[in-house]
Amino acid sequence: QQQVKQSPQSLIVQKGGISIINCAYENTAFDYFPWYQQFPGKGPALLIAIRPDVSEKKEGRFTISFNKSAKQFSLHIMDSQPGDSATYFCAATHFGNEKLTFGTGTRLTIIP
Amino acid sequence: DGGITQSPKYLFRKEGQNVTLSCEQNLNHDAMYWYRQDPGQGLRLIYYSQIVNDFQKGDIAEGYSVSREKKESFPLTVTSAQKNPTAFYLCASRTLGAAEQYFGPGTRLTVT
Repeated sequence: QQQVKQSPQSLIVQKGGISIINCAYENTAFDYFPWYQQFPGKGPALLIAIRPDVSEKKEGRFTISFNKSAKQFSLHIMDSQPGDSATYFCAATHFGNEKLTFGTGTRLTIIP
Repeated sequence: DGGITQSPKYLFRKEGQNVTLSCEQNLNHDAMYWYRQDPGQGLRLIYYSQIVNDFQKGDIAEGYSVSREKKESFPLTVTSAQKNPTAFYLCASRTLGAAEQYFGPGTRLTVT
């Protein structure tokens, strides 16, 4: 019940296109869903996060869409740029739980 | 300059030797975490600590040990009992009451 399933494992998108990464969870107690961006050899950086009281959150070119009934959330990167090429991790936790449960990551490559 | 520092960036050891990885934060965060990252497996929690002199095992604690003598510091020892120690190790911290975890730059450990 603690799993977070992330797909796809890798994704290639043309510059200017929309990148979409999906995550699904099982634990209905989860109430915080962050996305992390990681460049090779670096630590993950918090990108954007959402709580289940809203269905969408947008920060610049990055948007999280959240579907509580389907227990799914996704990251959309609009106007994808080569600098967005990185590995993206979704995660989930619930208030009072000290631990984040991470997806297995998606390696995103933006090609010219 | 606030943040999380991990040292060294690269570490090489011979099989059978214990090795200690450093993690320091000056964010005044209460909780600290150690994760292990292997290719294609996402982030797996080794140990975490919410307060000084207290820590809990994560999902893959076998072969590792930690201490938390100061709020700012959470060193991780990889012992000779860890069967596959070669990995990228990440330290993270969080303030209690907030869900966001922030990561350090990581230490790449290679054991031969």
